[in-house]
Amino acid sequence: IAGITQAPTSQILAAGRRMTLRCTQDMRHNAMYWYRQDLGLGLRLIHYSNTAGTTGKGEVPDGYSVSRANTDDFPLTLASAVPSQTSVYFCASSDGQGAYNEQFFGPGTRLTVL
Amino acid sequence: GQNIDQPTEMTATEGAIVQINCTYQTSGFNGLFWYQQHAGEAPTFLSYNVLDGLEEKGRFSSFLSRSKGYSYLLLKELQMKDSASYLCAVMDSNYQLIWGAGTKLIIKP
Repeated sequence: IAGITQAPTSQILAAGRRMTLRCTQDMRHNAMYWYRQDLGLGLRLIHYSNTAGTTGKGEVPDGYSVSRANTDDFPLTLASAVPSQTSVYFCASSDGQGAYNEQFFGPGTRLTVL
Repeated sequence: GQNIDQPTEMTATEGAIVQINCTYQTSGFNGLFWYQQHAGEAPTFLSYNVLDGLEEKGRFSSFLSRSKGYSYLLLKELQMKDSASYLCAVMDSNYQLIWGAGTKLIIKP
C-alpha cells in the first residue's frame, strides 16, 4: 500500500441498506477526514479524526458515523442509506492538525443510492 | 457564514497564461490552499499561502491578500494536461478546510 486506499471503488445501494466505506493509509498520519463531493458544490466535511481514538463532526455529519480504532483505518458507515447520500466520497489524511498540513486524498468511492 | 467563491469555468489556449481567482469570507484564517483535480480523480495539492504575496512553484504561482480576502492561482505556459478543476480551500480558525466549488479549466489547442 502506498498512500491512501479506499474500498469499494463504486457501489450501487438500495435505500435503507447499511454500508461501510473503508479507508486505510500507510503514512502514519495522525489526522483523517471524510468528505463528500457533489456536482456544483465544494468538498464538504462529514467527519474527522485528529488522532486514533478520537472523532469529530464536520459540516454534514447526519446519517453517517465513523470510528478510529487505530492510526491506519477510518471507516465511514451509512446506517440506513438514503438517495440524498448519492455522492463521491473521499477519504483524506494529514500529518497534523495545524496550518500547512496538506491533506492527501484517496481515490474516492462513487456511491449511488436508489 | 463561511463562503469561498471562484469562477465555475474558464477556457484558455495552450501555451498561454491563465489566472484563477478566489475570494473568501471565513471565521478565522490559517492559510489558503490550491488543489488540482482531474476528472474522476482525487484532488492533489498545488500550493499553500499564509502570508501576503506571491509563491512561485515552476509554472504555477499563487498569490494571497489577506486584507482583501483574495487569492489567485496563475498558470503559465499552459499544457493540455492542465485541463482540470482547480479547488481553492481556506483553513479556518478550527483548522478545518472550507472548500470552494472549484473552477473547471478547459485548455484548447
